[in-house]
Amino acid sequence: AQKVTQAQTEISVVEKEDVTLDCVYETRDTTYYLFWYKQPPSGELVFLIRRNSFDEQNEISGRYSWNFQKSTSSFNFTITASQVVDSAVYFCALSRPPGSGNTGKLIFGQGTTLQVKP
Amino acid sequence: DAGVIQSPRHEVTEMGQEVTLRCKPISGHNSLFWYRQTMMRGLELLIYFNNNVPIDDSGMPEDRFSAKMPNASFSTLKIQPSEPRDSAVYFCASSLARGHEQYFGPGTRLTVT
Repeated sequence: AQKVTQAQTEISVVEKEDVTLDCVYETRDTTYYLFWYKQPPSGELVFLIRRNSFDEQNEISGRYSWNFQKSTSSFNFTITASQVVDSAVYFCALSRPPGSGNTGKLIFGQGTTLQVKP
Repeated sequence: DAGVIQSPRHEVTEMGQEVTLRCKPISGHNSLFWYRQTMMRGLELLIYFNNNVPIDDSGMPEDRFSAKMPNASFSTLKIQPSEPRDSAVYFCASSLARGHEQYFGPGTRLTVT
């Protein structure tokens, strides 16, 4: 079975601090996809990144960076120099590859609520 | 380009009434998903369509829930009769293909009293 665990329920930081959101996943598949989504107070779900299991290269996008470590089944998300606008719930998700009856549905973690204080 | 469109954004109804939620996916996307978000259960998939055909409806709670996708640009999720425990935010999402990133609509917040 597939499972995503975000052990941090809530994190509070002061603006300009760096913060890392943890994500640990379980799957028996050798090929899979990992995602991060942001849900701001307005409620919509915003896609941030998709990572293929074969690509372990870390990625940086502005103040955001992602560390994918297959050996520890982790896909952590770091925000550098956090800002108040980063306050949101962040979800890590996993999907199986298409084919063999797999729908590609997203299996979400429970989410981490990040509060960035001014 | 327009994102996924959902209507209504908010719905308040009384127990026993029929509720219909609507979704317009992103043009060109052939996969459509309906999710439900609650505090207790988090985000869970209800049903998945591929090329307008329902592929996986194992997440639909019970027979009171039904979903259709009559064409590539429109889908509905119907609850009849509605119950207070159906209160949740319902999201529609679409993707270019299975395994690709899913883009979510703004959601419909349903309250059943």
